[in-house]
Amino acid sequence: DAKTTQPNSMESNEEEPVHLPCNHSTISGTDYIHWYRQLPSQGPEYVIHGLTSNVNNRMASLAIAEDRKSSTLILHRATLRDAAVYYCILITQGGSEKLVFGKGTKLTVNP
Amino acid sequence: GAGVSQSPSNKVTEKGKDVELRCDPISGHTALYWYRQSLGQGLEFLIYFQGNSAPDKSGLPSDRFSAERTGGSVSTLTIQRTQQEDSAVYLCASSLRRTGYEQYFGPGTRLTVT
Repeated sequence: DAKTTQPNSMESNEEEPVHLPCNHSTISGTDYIHWYRQLPSQGPEYVIHGLTSNVNNRMASLAIAEDRKSSTLILHRATLRDAAVYYCILITQGGSEKLVFGKGTKLTVNP
Repeated sequence: GAGVSQSPSNKVTEKGKDVELRCDPISGHTALYWYRQSLGQGLEFLIYFQGNSAPDKSGLPSDRFSAERTGGSVSTLTIQRTQQEDSAVYLCASSLRRTGYEQYFGPGTRLTVT
């Protein structure tokens, strides 16, 4: 699976938007960009995924660069419950089903 | 609707004993995954089921680990002759494969081998 690069940590204030970047310069045409997060002492939680077009759901938005070499997870209004480690991963359609998490970005939300 | 459930939530066992961990996936999800996560570590893939068959067992650490899935639903992960290094949180996830690859995780079973 192609690798992703994320900042180790980011900080935000409550009620403000958060943009979490992810670089994936070796992405292939069949790789989907997935985001998961893991809150303290909980299992991972699916957030959003996309292929080429920007995606929105109730949790977040995913902005994908035109060349697909990078993407940004957008939390429109951070809450204290959004404090978690966010993982950006690539999953190849028809390839291995398993999730392989890197270090992720630890998001701290300040009240 | 109901999410993925796992039991027990916590299990303390003595070294050398066998343990069974159970996973109830979301109803209708055909794919089921087992992972484990040691304290402060990343996610380690163990095994993947599609229906009752396991096309990928590559993550099972040793032959002491086995898993089965019956009726395309409940799965059991069995660890024989447990060792202290088996202590971890064991996570189960399921996926409705037709809608993509998003996986929904259960709360995990915290296994402590003393």
